[in-house]
Amino acid sequence: EDKVVQSPLSLVVHEGDTVTLNCSYEVTNFRSLLWYKQEKKAPTFLFMLTSSGIEKKSGRLSSILDKKELFSILNITATQTGDSAVYLCAFDMRFGAGTRLTVKP
Amino acid sequence: DTAVSQTPKYLVTQMGNDKSIKCEQNLGHDTMYWYKQDSKKFLKIMFSYNNKELIINETVPNRFSPKSPDKAHLNLHINSLELGDSAVYFCASSPGLAGGRDTQYFGPGTRLTVL
Repeated sequence: EDKVVQSPLSLVVHEGDTVTLNCSYEVTNFRSLLWYKQEKKAPTFLFMLTSSGIEKKSGRLSSILDKKELFSILNITATQTGDSAVYLCAFDMRFGAGTRLTVKP
Repeated sequence: DTAVSQTPKYLVTQMGNDKSIKCEQNLGHDTMYWYKQDSKKFLKIMFSYNNKELIINETVPNRFSPKSPDKAHLNLHINSLELGDSAVYFCASSPGLAGGRDTQYFGPGTRLTVL
């Protein structure tokens, strides 16, 4: 069965820290990897990755996919309290359990 | 205007009842989905429809029946509700022909509580 594993499950940092969230997968017929941010309600889209080794950036967030090693990472630099959320990765429609990030002032 | 909307936002009901959740998207997308998010926040695909046709049906009890009257709507009907059905149900849509390759836009969720 397809499997998506995220680590760590939770993380507490202080404002200004840099964090790296991990997502590994065992998925057949892989097509795309998506990262979402979920605060109190619906997940909102961050990145879609389809090619290995190409970094995508949006402000302080960046993400990269390694198809050979079957994982992706999401980096957040200079974290802010507004980054506190659950970060979900999904391979096709298979979601991981998420990483709960808490950023303290 | 809301891109993906769901009604109701909250639903509290007794075991054994039948209930429906409605979803509408005004993005012109071809594909719509239903997800279930349990108390541990794990998001799991239930169904996917493309242009009113069912394309994904995960291992979901027969008590759950999706209906898509047109490509902008995907409703979820649940018969004989059980305690374990309590969860947040998210509707989503994406522009592409098949799920997984495109960004999905999520509705606000419907919190279902079965007593």
